[in-house]
Amino acid sequence: DAGVIQSPRHEVTEMGQEVTLRCKPISGHDYLFWYRQTMMRGLELLIYFNNNVPIDDSGMPEDRFSAKMPNASFSTLKIQPSEPRDSAVYFCASNNIAGGSVWQFFGPGTRLTVL
Amino acid sequence: LAKTTQPISMDSYEGQEVNITCSHNNIATNDYITWYQQFPSQGPRFIIQGYKTKVTNEVASLFIPADRKSSTLSLPRVSLSDTAVYYCLGAGSYQLTFGKGTKLSVIP
Repeated sequence: DAGVIQSPRHEVTEMGQEVTLRCKPISGHDYLFWYRQTMMRGLELLIYFNNNVPIDDSGMPEDRFSAKMPNASFSTLKIQPSEPRDSAVYFCASNNIAGGSVWQFFGPGTRLTVL
Repeated sequence: LAKTTQPISMDSYEGQEVNITCSHNNIATNDYITWYQQFPSQGPRFIIQGYKTKVTNEVASLFIPADRKSSTLSLPRVSLSDTAVYYCLGAGSYQLTFGKGTKLSVIP
């Protein structure tokens, strides 16, 4: 199994540009999560999906952020327009709930720099 | 979601046993206690999970007292490669909240 795949690994863009981050979850996993990590705020949950349906997007910082999951094997996180304060590492994670135990498999992350 | 509190940082020499304690006073009845490890420039990685008493795997041991208000991650004989940030979570309802974690530095 290749694990969770994220692309690009690094993204540098200018303020005001649209940014799209991509994620392929582990096959068979029915939950997908997007996180953002910064030194100041640590690791924050932005949104999560179950069976391709967004369940909780209360962590999405503002309307400039949007996430979609058109099918079980692909999700995107879009920032439009991007701002310097969006600079962070964005992680995608997936899991398949088994009984009451819950843990996630994380991708390698996308390091976003907005100039 | 269970709010967790753990030390911001710890130092240890190679070969020592390291114990990282996490408090989770308001953990829910159906929450599991889960620990993750994160190396620089990588995503967090699951290392161990438990509900009560003691759990051991090839990486670590997890001790959870009867009241479940705290837990202790034990890493036996740490090496330089164990330098990482360790997160404690009280996980339930398919949501996970990560705090700042404990930065463990292993010294030669």
